[in-house]
Amino acid sequence: SQELEQSPQSLIVQEGKNLTINCTSSKTLYGLYWYKQKYGEGLIFLMMLQKGGEEKSHEKITAKLDEKKQQSSLHITASQPSHAGIYLCGADMIDKIIFGKGTRLHILP
Amino acid sequence: EAGVAQSPRYKIIEKRQSVAFWCNPISGHATLYWYQQILGQGPKLLIQFQNNGVVDDSQLPKDRFSAERLKGVDSTLKIQPAKLEDSAVYLCASSPAYEQYFGPGTRLTVT
Repeated sequence: SQELEQSPQSLIVQEGKNLTINCTSSKTLYGLYWYKQKYGEGLIFLMMLQKGGEEKSHEKITAKLDEKKQQSSLHITASQPSHAGIYLCGADMIDKIIFGKGTRLHILP
Repeated sequence: EAGVAQSPRYKIIEKRQSVAFWCNPISGHATLYWYQQILGQGPKLLIQFQNNGVVDDSQLPKDRFSAERLKGVDSTLKIQPAKLEDSAVYLCASSPAYEQYFGPGTRLTVT
């Protein structure tokens, strides 16, 4: 079965600093979703990557899917307090998504 | 466009009691999902509906959990009887095709 491992589990960064979150799959991915979740709330869709080597950006967040389609990274540039939350990667299983455990991001002012 | 609606937002019950959650998906979305998210974990799919038919319920504990989606629109998820380990956030999501849109979730605490 498909398994996703996210690293780090938790991350504390100073406001204004860059950071990277990784998501590694045990199998080749059909597609990879990135979601953000604030405590006590639902998930907010960030990006979906499907092609090996694909890179997408939205505001200060960039996500990449490696050529072998088994690892993705999420990079935040010049972090802000609004970036705080839990970042979840999800593997596209055609008709459902399998999620990783998430990375909890804290931004220090 | 209205998002996915869920109610209640919070529920506290004692073990062995029953509880029901409601979800109203985004209009026109044929696919509806229920997820269970235990603290510190990613969401786990419980059941997936395509219109009013079940596509996948392989991870639904059928001895105590049930779900229905009458008329292919809104859906209810029921737990009867609840156990302590059912304490979690229950998320509903709907999808027109690939991208899933999530509701705010229902936080269940079983004491």
